[in-house]
Amino acid sequence: AQSVTQPDIHITVSEGASLELRCNYSYGATPYLFWYVQSPGQGLQLLLKYFSGDTLVQGIKGFEAEFKRSQSSFNLRKPSVHWSDAAEYFCAVTSGAGSYQLTFGKGTKLSVIP
Amino acid sequence: EAGVAQSPRYKIIEKRQSVAFWCNPISGHATLYWYQQILGQGPKLLIQFQNNGVVDDSQLPKDRFSAERLKGVDSTLKIQPAKLEDSAVYLCASRLPGGGRQETQYFGPGTRLLVL
Repeated sequence: AQSVTQPDIHITVSEGASLELRCNYSYGATPYLFWYVQSPGQGLQLLLKYFSGDTLVQGIKGFEAEFKRSQSSFNLRKPSVHWSDAAEYFCAVTSGAGSYQLTFGKGTKLSVIP
Repeated sequence: EAGVAQSPRYKIIEKRQSVAFWCNPISGHATLYWYQQILGQGPKLLIQFQNNGVVDDSQLPKDRFSAERLKGVDSTLKIQPAKLEDSAVYLCASRLPGGGRQETQYFGPGTRLLVL
């Protein structure tokens, strides 16, 4: 069965600093990977997704992620964090053909210091 | 385009009471999911519908949870009777039926349930 690990429960960065959120997955076949963001009291919004091709994926709000098959990782990055980026971030992987269910990690909460 | 709608946004009940949540997916999205998100964890799938049929309900606690999507559009998730451990956010998501695994799931704002 597929699984997703987000090693960092909570990260605090200063506004303007760079950010990297870690995600490791376990999946037997070629993974389809997603990053979602959840602001307080809100649903999940898709930041970016990877399913094939270029391993560096660009998303919304200035985020990018890099798929590294050898490390089973899909880390999310942003060069300069804004206070509005404070939220919880979830990495997810899809299941096999047909049902396309998402398996989520436990999330990383991002706090931004002004 | 309107997003996934859910109601109510918040609900407080006592244990052993019943509660129902409603979801209206994005127009044309035949696939609908219900997730449970307990505080401090990622969402966990409860049930998946394709039109008005159940694709997967293996993670749904069927002794107390039920869900339906009678006309293949709106869906209702019910808990009866509720337990303290059911306190969570219940998220509804929808997606187009085709497009393969890369097709995006769109999430509603969720219903936050507190069981006292």
